[in-house]
Amino acid sequence: EPEVTQTPSHQVTQMGQEVILRCVPISNHLYFYWYRQILGQKVEFLVSFYNNEISEKSEIFDDQFSVERPDGSNFTLKIRSTKLEDSAMYFCASRPRVGTGELFFGEGSRLTVL
Amino acid sequence: DQQVKQNSPSLSVQEGRISILNCDYTNSMFDYFLWYKKYPAEGPTFLISISSIKDKNEDGRFTVFLNKSAKHLSLHIVPSQPGDSAVYFCAASGSGGYQKVTFGTGTKLQVIP
Repeated sequence: EPEVTQTPSHQVTQMGQEVILRCVPISNHLYFYWYRQILGQKVEFLVSFYNNEISEKSEIFDDQFSVERPDGSNFTLKIRSTKLEDSAMYFCASRPRVGTGELFFGEGSRLTVL
Repeated sequence: DQQVKQNSPSLSVQEGRISILNCDYTNSMFDYFLWYKKYPAEGPTFLISISSIKDKNEDGRFTVFLNKSAKHLSLHIVPSQPGDSAVYFCAASGSGGYQKVTFGTGTKLQVIP
């Protein structure tokens, strides 16, 4: 069964460092998303991406964040200068062109900022 | 702005009994409502969804009910099994493929053997 894959599963970084989280969405999906979950809190929307551009972004997704799909398969989230409060699980998700609104999620990347 | 709310942070149910998880929403523009199941350190897994034009959708032990006038939906699990123990997130989405899914705060279900 096709699945969304994410790397790394866990990354530890120092505050102020750049981090890139990688995702390979399901191959025939057209819409891509990043969400995050701070420990014990809700799953929060960060950004949606379609046709090589951002469709929508949340207030969390400030200038320190960026996304790109450099090669038609990988979908990356970059945090330019990490802060302590960026520590969270980051989930990539994708969605086919038509459907029931369901997003397919990856297993997540745990980011720990020290 | 909590557009999707789950007022019960936790629920304990005996194995074999019914689990009822509730969810309220405020945005009338939502077209799809979904339930996701989540284990610690894993991504959310889709369980069941319902379109705004329906009031009930059933899939095996899982049934979702939608009351549009009350802006309320619920997930029924019958019979509950210990493997159902997880955090359940109610979620909602507008129409259109690019629409984000907005999650509630989650309800931690514990099914006691």
